[in-house]
Amino acid sequence: GAVVSQHPSWVICKSGTSVKIECRSLDFQATTMFWYRQFPKQSLMLMATSNEGSKATYEQGVEKDKFLINHASLTLSTLTVTSAHPEDSSFYICSATGLAGVVGNEQFFGPGTRLTVL
Amino acid sequence: AQSVTQPDIHITVSEGASLELRCNYSYGATPYLFWYVQSPGQGLQLLLKYFSGDTLVQGIKGFEAEFKRSQSSFNLRKPSVHWSDAAEYFCAVGKNSGGSNYKLTFGKGTLLTVNP
Repeated sequence: GAVVSQHPSWVICKSGTSVKIECRSLDFQATTMFWYRQFPKQSLMLMATSNEGSKATYEQGVEKDKFLINHASLTLSTLTVTSAHPEDSSFYICSATGLAGVVGNEQFFGPGTRLTVL
Repeated sequence: AQSVTQPDIHITVSEGASLELRCNYSYGATPYLFWYVQSPGQGLQLLLKYFSGDTLVQGIKGFEAEFKRSQSSFNLRKPSVHWSDAAEYFCAVGKNSGGSNYKLTFGKGTLLTVNP
């Protein structure tokens, strides 16, 4: 199957700083990428959907100024957590789809990034 | 809005025993249904999916799931569990979000422990 990578796999930062997480599709062109957040022993919650070259669409309750998403190319999307606070500590997961126009095209998931804000 | 319920937080089975993980969904239209497995350090892997057609779906690693509309269920089964199946399993429902894409709503997951 298609491979999606995330970098870094884990990051620790101080409160008030910004952190950037990268999501890359390694062997296919990702027309759409999704960002999820997973709390311990909880389900994945969709944060936003991004299409290459377009502004991201955020889910209700997700602060777009807090979680900046850029999808500048067909293989790279970034999530920047601005002015991070301890409550932003979480596991962030991206997924990517390609083959635009194929109904029900599969989402391929990255391994996740563990963010800890001190 | 769609929702997914996985009633069992943690299940323990012996290796070689059969397995059934429960999933109930709430969705107004015909759902897209998925089962994913998450192992530490790895991304979610798709085990199987249901879009339409035959309600018994075969997936990878010997898993199958049956869509029962009357019960709003999509339970995952495996006749004989292997130690390597120990992981977290997520059921998800997909809602079309335009074009060929869909948004996934996940259940809270079921942690599977396999005893030797």
